Amino acid sequence: KQEVTQIPAALSVPEGENLVLNCSFTDSAIYNLQWFRQDPGKGLTSLLLIQSSQREQTSGRLNASLDKSSGRSTLYIAASQPGDSATYLCAPNAGNMLTFGGGTRLMVKP
Amino acid sequence: GAVVSQHPSRVICKSGTSVKIECRSLDFQATTMFWYRQFPKQSLMLMATSNEGSKATYEQGVEKDKFLINHASLTLSTLTVTSAHPEDSSFYICSARDPAGTVGGYTFGSGTRLTVV
Repeated sequence: KQEVTQIPAALSVPEGENLVLNCSFTDSAIYNLQWFRQDPGKGLTSLLLIQSSQREQTSGRLNASLDKSSGRSTLYIAASQPGDSATYLCAPNAGNMLTFGGGTRLMVKP
Repeated sequence: GAVVSQHPSRVICKSGTSVKIECRSLDFQATTMFWYRQFPKQSLMLMATSNEGSKATYEQGVEKDKFLINHASLTLSTLTVTSAHPEDSSFYICSARDPAGTVGGYTFGSGTRLTVV
């Protein structure tokens, strides 16, 4: 059974800092991995999708990397802004099913 | 991009009544949809996989007679919480994958906050 761990569980930083959010998973036989953002009381917004054959994906200030063999993914946020405050979830996809980590609750202070 | 619409966004019901939540894929057809449950400050837990035209597949520990899932068309899946109790109060989210969209990517609805009083 896939288990997903996200570190840190919570993070509070001043505006402008570069951030690294970590995700590890136990079953490396995945098709892809998706990073989501969730605002309080809201649904999930997809940020980045990395295929198992890819090493990284970039979208604006976000960069996600994937090391499938070691079961790790990293989300890098450059020049953080208060609007980035949210919970970030990673979800590897194995067999048409997502498994979620506990998330990282990010607070970016002005 | 693919859009999944979920309704209602918030519902309050009395204990013992039933509540129906709808999940629609607006611009694509989804043969499979997924229902998740999320408790406060916890992550999403998959409840069941909804299959168009056939029975849903429930995860271990999820009561299929309590959480009725119907996927009667390629764009609509419904979750009915029957005889709701306060412990059923939670945030329910559906998702689907657009086969023609970003390969393998899943799109989520905006969620439904259920409060049973």
